[in-house]
Amino acid sequence: DADVTQTPRNRITKTGKRIMLECSQTKGHDRMYWYRQDPGLGLRLIYYSFDVKDINKGEISDGYSVSRQAQAKFSLSLESAIPNQTALYFCATSARTGVETQYFGPGTRLLVL
Amino acid sequence: QKEVEQDPGPLSVPEGAIVSLNCTYSNSAFQYFMWYRQYSRKGPELLMYTYSSGNKEDGRFTAQVDKSSKYISLFIRDSQPSDSATYLCAMSAGNTGFQKLVFGTGTRLLVSP
Repeated sequence: DADVTQTPRNRITKTGKRIMLECSQTKGHDRMYWYRQDPGLGLRLIYYSFDVKDINKGEISDGYSVSRQAQAKFSLSLESAIPNQTALYFCATSARTGVETQYFGPGTRLLVL
Repeated sequence: QKEVEQDPGPLSVPEGAIVSLNCTYSNSAFQYFMWYRQYSRKGPELLMYTYSSGNKEDGRFTAQVDKSSKYISLFIRDSQPSDSATYLCAMSAGNTGFQKLVFGTGTRLLVSP
């Protein structure tokens, strides 16, 4: 089984809808991250969490919120989706002392119409 | 100017060729350098990780860091069709506090049989 899983893998939604992307990990890592990937822009950090009570904004957090329900679960929400949030979204994890060695999930492909 | 620059390619080579993938960066504080491989419709997978300057070899892969030139490279010897993927460089300033990973946009590599 994969160490980092994401659901759903693909999602089509309409402008204004609220959606949630979920991430689970079995690596036992404390740190979890949400990124989006866009052509020509690379991976950009949306939010990161060092533990259940420690959640921080990344470089592009506007329009997004997160919830760390447990050490192993980290969800990303789009409160009111807009077309420019169409992207590939990745969850990643790392150990407490290994921020540079992050392990990525398979991604969620999101299309906002 | 982006902190990390990477040629998007595609780079097309025949099977068995030596491949050189490169990134340049502007932040002299970067100390940790990584290469990720991303297959189509998959999440990035950590390939190589180097701290500070120098070379690191792992099988057919060699990572090289030249901090004086702010230039990192990944060499692939005896390239195989299964190496066809997008290669992302990533770097961070260290693990004191939180130093986010900064990614290049990726170079797409195509190895033909």
